[in-house]
Amino acid sequence: GDSVTQMEGPVTLSEEAFLTINCTYTATGYPSLFWYVQYPGEGLQLLLKATKADDKGSNKGFEATYRKETTSFHLEKGSVQVSDSAVYFCALSVSSGGSNYKLTFGKGTLLTVNP
Amino acid sequence: EAGVAQSPRYKIIEKRQSVAFWCNPISGHATLYWYQQILGQGPKLLIQFQNNGVVDDSQLPKDRFSAERLKGVDSTLKIQPAKLEDSAVYLCASSLARRASYNSPLHFGNGTRLTVT
Repeated sequence: GDSVTQMEGPVTLSEEAFLTINCTYTATGYPSLFWYVQYPGEGLQLLLKATKADDKGSNKGFEATYRKETTSFHLEKGSVQVSDSAVYFCALSVSSGGSNYKLTFGKGTLLTVNP
Repeated sequence: EAGVAQSPRYKIIEKRQSVAFWCNPISGHATLYWYQQILGQGPKLLIQFQNNGVVDDSQLPKDRFSAERLKGVDSTLKIQPAKLEDSAVYLCASSLARRASYNSPLHFGNGTRLTVT
């Protein structure tokens, strides 16, 4: 079945450090890929997305590139801030029948950024 | 725009009791989802509604879980009877798209944290 594998957390970084959170996927068909973020006490929010191979999604300084050859969608940020502390979820969307699509999430990676 | 509203925020019950969660999606959003998020795992889809019809309930434990979306707006998710393994955060999400498209963003509520003792 369809699945998403994220790097195990927690990840602890100092402010201004470089961030990479690895994400690989397995899917039948051609999925769209997403990163969602969950800040403490809040609901999940869409951070960025990519819908086809070699697309780069970006938002708030975060980037991820859809790599079909390696089935990966790694999240990166050049300089993290304390306010980036959150849980990050990689997800894919594939057809569950007809034109209806189902979103499948990874387990999430907790990021803590220290000042 | 008001977000997805869920209540209660927290609930503690004993096993074999029943519990219900309520969700009010963003106005005009046709698609509504209930997800279960167990600690340390990603959200898992329980049920998806399109207006007031069920589109996907393949992962809903139908012997104890039920959900409805009357009039295609608010939704309730019920568990009866609850088991210890039902302890989780229950997330409601909605989407504007009439179908769950590959590109339509989901808007999530803050969730209800259920503890079954």
